[in-house]
Amino acid sequence: QKEVEQDPGPLSVPEGAIVSLNCTYSNSAFQYFMWYRQYSRKGPELLMYTYSSGNKEDGRFTAQVDKSSKYISLFIRDSQPSDSATYLCAMSSDDMRFGAGTRLTVKP
Amino acid sequence: EAQVTQNPRYLITVTGKKLTVTCSQNMNHEYMSWYRQDPGLGLRQIYYSMNVEVTDKGDVPEGYKVSRKEKRNFPLILESPSPNQTSLYFCASSLSASNEQFFGPGTRLTVL
Repeated sequence: QKEVEQDPGPLSVPEGAIVSLNCTYSNSAFQYFMWYRQYSRKGPELLMYTYSSGNKEDGRFTAQVDKSSKYISLFIRDSQPSDSATYLCAMSSDDMRFGAGTRLTVKP
Repeated sequence: EAQVTQNPRYLITVTGKKLTVTCSQNMNHEYMSWYRQDPGLGLRQIYYSMNVEVTDKGDVPEGYKVSRKEKRNFPLILESPSPNQTSLYFCASSLSASNEQFFGPGTRLTVL
């Protein structure tokens, strides 16, 4: 079993849809939880960073962490074609582990 | 501008021909790391460095070497590349292993 599991998709939604991206993990030592966005032919860039269980909102993006279930989510409201990218979850304690990434396409 | 740079961006080489991919950061970060990204496998860490002259193996270190003689530079060395090292490589830097990592633009390597 991988330490971090993420459905690679691909996921295709119409513009304006609510997108839900998820990861599960097995290592209860993880304390920091992140979502990175990676556009084609680019390096990943940090989108959201959370430390504890609960929700964190930034504009159209909401990151949710449930440590008891070892489950994290990223919600994108009113999705736009510019949100089309690969989204990678990441989590860390002493080092960082990445999910495989979910490829998202938002169609106009 | 705060950034991580990598060179070259694209490289096609042949089996056994030694190569070096350079990585440099201008953010005074102590932690630097190399990843390879393959379809369906995500980012896998090759080597990392907590500070100058301190390096350690990641999850997939076989066939790679690194050095950290200066804080800003962290080159990745393939002494004898093989076709299974064909991949997209990313260098990253951060304040520490658990902090946000800043990634370079990537190096696409093809070994024939």
